[in-house]
Amino acid sequence: AQSVTQPDIHITVSEGASLELRCNYSYGATPYLFWYVQSPGQGLQLLLKYFSGDTLVQGIKGFEAEFKRSQSSFNLRKPSVHWSDAAEYFCAVQTGANNLFFGTGTRLTVIP
Amino acid sequence: SAVISQKPSRDICQRGTSLTIQCQVDSQVTMMFWYRQQPGQSLTLIATANQGSEATYESGFVIDKFPISRPNLTFSTLTVSNMSPEDSSIYLCSGFFDSSKNIQYFGAGTRLSVL
Repeated sequence: AQSVTQPDIHITVSEGASLELRCNYSYGATPYLFWYVQSPGQGLQLLLKYFSGDTLVQGIKGFEAEFKRSQSSFNLRKPSVHWSDAAEYFCAVQTGANNLFFGTGTRLTVIP
Repeated sequence: SAVISQKPSRDICQRGTSLTIQCQVDSQVTMMFWYRQQPGQSLTLIATANQGSEATYESGFVIDKFPISRPNLTFSTLTVSNMSPEDSSIYLCSGFFDSSKNIQYFGAGTRLSVL
């Protein structure tokens, strides 16, 4: 069965510092992987996706993620965090039935 | 990207009543979905809304509680029936668009509080 684990419930970083949000997945086939962001009171916005090919994918707002098959991981990174990045971040895996399975989310707080 | 509009954006309802949430997309979608996000939790798929036929429900969700309609390719409704405080959640619709392939776009959600 498929599952997504985001081990960090809450992360606090200083503005300008680097960021890495962890995501591990379990899925028997080649995964389609996604990172979404949910700002307070907003819906989900797609940050980036991985389907195949280059394992380092670039997304919007300066985010990137690296797919590591050997570690079943798809960690999200940003070299310099901005105050506007404070939000909830969700990693998700898509199955062959086009269903998205989400992790429990990581809440990011950015301090000045 | 596609635009998905939901209404109402929020509502406060009394126990035992029902609420219908509307989802409108700005172009045809191949698939539409309804998700629930309980307070402090992640998203859980309720069902796939099928055009012109009964929705496909995930384990733990039933049609009597969450009837879904999808009369055409750009519109769907989710009804939360006989509500209880445990139904207080954010309900989101999403869709796959032909042009994007394998990417789900989400509406802003409906924040429901049941008293």
